[in-house]
Amino acid sequence: GIQVEQSPPDLILQEGANSTLRCNFSDSVNNLQWFHQNPWGQLINLFYIPSGTKQNGRLSATTVATERYSLLYISSSQTTDSGVYFCVTGRRALTFGSGTRLQVQP
Amino acid sequence: GAGVSQTPSNKVTEKGKYVELRCDPISGHTALYWYRQSLGQGPEFLIYFQGTGAADDSGLPNDRFFAVRPEGSVSTLKIQRTERGDSAVYLCASSWTGATEAFFGQGTRLTVV
Repeated sequence: GIQVEQSPPDLILQEGANSTLRCNFSDSVNNLQWFHQNPWGQLINLFYIPSGTKQNGRLSATTVATERYSLLYISSSQTTDSGVYFCVTGRRALTFGSGTRLQVQP
Repeated sequence: GAGVSQTPSNKVTEKGKYVELRCDPISGHTALYWYRQSLGQGPEFLIYFQGTGAADDSGLPNDRFFAVRPEGSVSTLKIQRTERGDSAVYLCASSWTGATEAFFGQGTRLTVV
């Protein structure tokens, strides 16, 4: 099956800082999603981004399918951005990356 | 409904008992997924349905776990002879078809005592 790797595994930021999270995947896919799992465990859809670039407020994402990676950018981070960010992809069953645990400190 | 709904939200059961967890997907979604998430870990794939049939059940850990989706909508995950190691949050997701944008429910927290 597809292997999904995320980096960094952990990230601590001061409020207002910017960050980039990376997702590498082992095979060509036609779907890719970024989720934020909040401290209450809810998985929140951030982006469905098989290719190209999308932006939503302070967040944006880019997927370069031919090079098998995706990036999630968080600008002007806020404490509410804390949680775990997952990259998810797959041809049938969805495979999760191991996640990036983000802590934004006030 | 507006989103994926899972019931119950919490379930405490005694070791050895049988449990059923329910998932109501978004209306019209043909693909449905079950995952299990232990504390501090990422979600672990269990089973994927396309319509009424299990397209991929390779993640079911053993024969105590079974899932059905008889009418291609609601799905039930069934666990027999529960063990303490089955304690986890069980997540359900749905999408229009496989490999399209998926949406997750809030999960069922199962505790086996």
